[in-house]
Amino acid sequence: GNSVTQMEGPVTLSEEAFLTINCTYTATGYPSLFWYVQYPGEGLQLLLKATKADDKGSNKGFEATYRKETTSFHLEKGSVQVSDSAVYFCALSPSFSGGYNKLIFGAGTRLAVHP
Amino acid sequence: GEEVAQTPKHLVRGEGQKAKLYCAPIKGHSYVFWYQQVLKNEFKFLISFQNENVFDETGMPKERFSAKCLPNSPCSLEIQATKLEDSAVYFCASSPHTGLNTEAFFGQGTRLTVV
Repeated sequence: GNSVTQMEGPVTLSEEAFLTINCTYTATGYPSLFWYVQYPGEGLQLLLKATKADDKGSNKGFEATYRKETTSFHLEKGSVQVSDSAVYFCALSPSFSGGYNKLIFGAGTRLAVHP
Repeated sequence: GEEVAQTPKHLVRGEGQKAKLYCAPIKGHSYVFWYQQVLKNEFKFLISFQNENVFDETGMPKERFSAKCLPNSPCSLEIQATKLEDSAVYFCASSPHTGLNTEAFFGQGTRLTVV
């Protein structure tokens, strides 16, 4: 079946530190991969996405590369800010005639950045 | 509207009571998705609609849960005879179509507390 596994948090970093949040997936076919962010008390916002192998998604200094050979989509940022504190969700959308269907989420990783 | 609007923000129900949640998708979006966020972070897909038609209901509990999307009305998710374990935040998302570059936009969620 389809599933997403991401590293357990919380991840606690000092401002300007390097961030990596690991995400691996299990899926048949060619899923699309996503990172969503949830700020306290809010809904989910799409952070970045990749729809095929070797694609790199990037946004607001965050990056993730779709690695089919390792079934991974690790999230990275070179220098985190206090405002990046949130819960980050890795997700996949199963192949469906090449289109988008439901999202299957990982358990989420809480990031806390201190000044 | 320009955002997915969910009402109410908070809902408290006694065990056995009915709960009804509403979601107005972004105008022009044909697809609506419901997710349940339980425990700390875990998201579970419940059901999706293409206009007023059920698109995928593989995540819906067979008992007590029902959902509708009727023309010119907000979509709704109804839970009959609520149980303590139904306590969760229920998120609605909408997307204009299904395709590789389609993004789902999430609402702020409805927090259901069953006491």
